[in-house]
Amino acid sequence: EPEVTQTPSHQVTQMGQEVILRCVPISNHLYFYWYRQILGQKVEFLVSFYNNEISEKSEIFDDQFSVERPDGSNFTLKIRSTKLEDSAMYFCASSEVHLAGVPGGQYFGPGTRLTVT
Amino acid sequence: AQKVTQAQTEISVVEKEDVTLDCVYETRDTTYYLFWYKQPPSGELVFLIRRNSFDEQNEISGRYSWNFQKSTSSFNFTITASQVVDSAVYFCAPSNNAGNMLTFGGGTRLMVKP
Repeated sequence: EPEVTQTPSHQVTQMGQEVILRCVPISNHLYFYWYRQILGQKVEFLVSFYNNEISEKSEIFDDQFSVERPDGSNFTLKIRSTKLEDSAMYFCASSEVHLAGVPGGQYFGPGTRLTVT
Repeated sequence: AQKVTQAQTEISVVEKEDVTLDCVYETRDTTYYLFWYKQPPSGELVFLIRRNSFDEQNEISGRYSWNFQKSTSSFNFTITASQVVDSAVYFCAPSNNAGNMLTFGGGTRLMVKP
């Protein structure tokens, strides 16, 4: 069964450093998402991406964050200057497109645990 | 913006018992979607179901069933004959009307004891 993959599984970085989290969505999916989950807390939406542009973003997704689909398979999340409070599990997800362009169920990857020291 | 309440933070049952996880949501959208996810101890988020707000038919999938009541803004999830492998945190998540942004509840931790 096709699945979303994410690399690395764990990333440790120093405060102020740039970090790029990588995701390979399910191949026939056209909607892509990033969510994060701070340890012990609820899952929070960051951004959704469709047709090579951001379709929705949350207040968390400020100028320090950016997303890119650099080629036909990868979807990346960049954090320009990491802060301690960026430490979290970052989940990538993808969904297929239903009739009228509405996204279907969101399938999540295993996550990348980001630790900012 | 959506808001979702999963009032049961933790439930403990004995194997083979039925258990219902409650979800109440708030939304200003007339059309939206409702999701449930399972997060086992390994940490991944497993998609269980997506429902349209205009389809109030209850759904059954094996031991899982969902009861959607639009009038009370509830989307409850029942596991019949629970098993130890059902132990996980379960999240209810309504979406916006475009279906491209989920708002997760705080989750219900289900512990199924043998």
